[in-house]
Amino acid sequence: EAQVTQNPRYLITVTGKKLTVTCSQNMNHEYMSWYRQDPGLGLRQIYYSMNVEVTDKGDVPEGYKVSRKEKRNFPLILESPSPNQTSLYFCASSFHGQGQAFFGQGTRLTVV
Amino acid sequence: AQSVTQLDSQVPVFEEAPVELRCNYSSSVSVYLFWYVQYPNQGLQLLLKYLSGSTLVKGINGFEAEFNKSQTSFHLRKPSVHISDTAEYFCAVSERSGAGSYQLTFGKGTKLSVIP
Repeated sequence: EAQVTQNPRYLITVTGKKLTVTCSQNMNHEYMSWYRQDPGLGLRQIYYSMNVEVTDKGDVPEGYKVSRKEKRNFPLILESPSPNQTSLYFCASSFHGQGQAFFGQGTRLTVV
Repeated sequence: AQSVTQLDSQVPVFEEAPVELRCNYSSSVSVYLFWYVQYPNQGLQLLLKYLSGSTLVKGINGFEAEFNKSQTSFHLRKPSVHISDTAEYFCAVSERSGAGSYQLTFGKGTKLSVIP
């Protein structure tokens, strides 16, 4: 089954404690991206990757890091989380970025 | 840079009534257009897409949308809604940006509430 898998689904952490949210897709997609969803703001792109070892900033990259060492994986790293990063995060993948995007189930992150 | 405006943040509608969710975009180049639906506690799934060809696009669950280039709109419609259509709907635009990549931009979403 074609899918994008994120882990964990829920995470509560404390300010400043480094965390990683994993994302994996099994569709051999070149393009992967991370979004955060906040009430009234819709989805905003954090980072995207066009292919292995190629990443670029989206609209709200501050406080986040990503890496793309393998085609299927695109982890999101918060080196020093802060309460304003409390949000619902989605990973997505697609062919080349212009077509249909497939989304993971989301990761609800709370930073206290 | 592109932007997407969903004109209504919330739309209440009675069951079996028709509904239209409005979406306008701004872009200086050719775009691809999408509608996604998000049910409670779930990720986004594709309802329909416009890539090229016929401007009237049919999607899943009886939804359709019409691409109007002159008005830069891509409104979503359904002739008769069901309780199960209660969800949040996102309009999205994909535009080619620098270095050969595509930027997918979402609207802020419209919450559709179907009233029994």
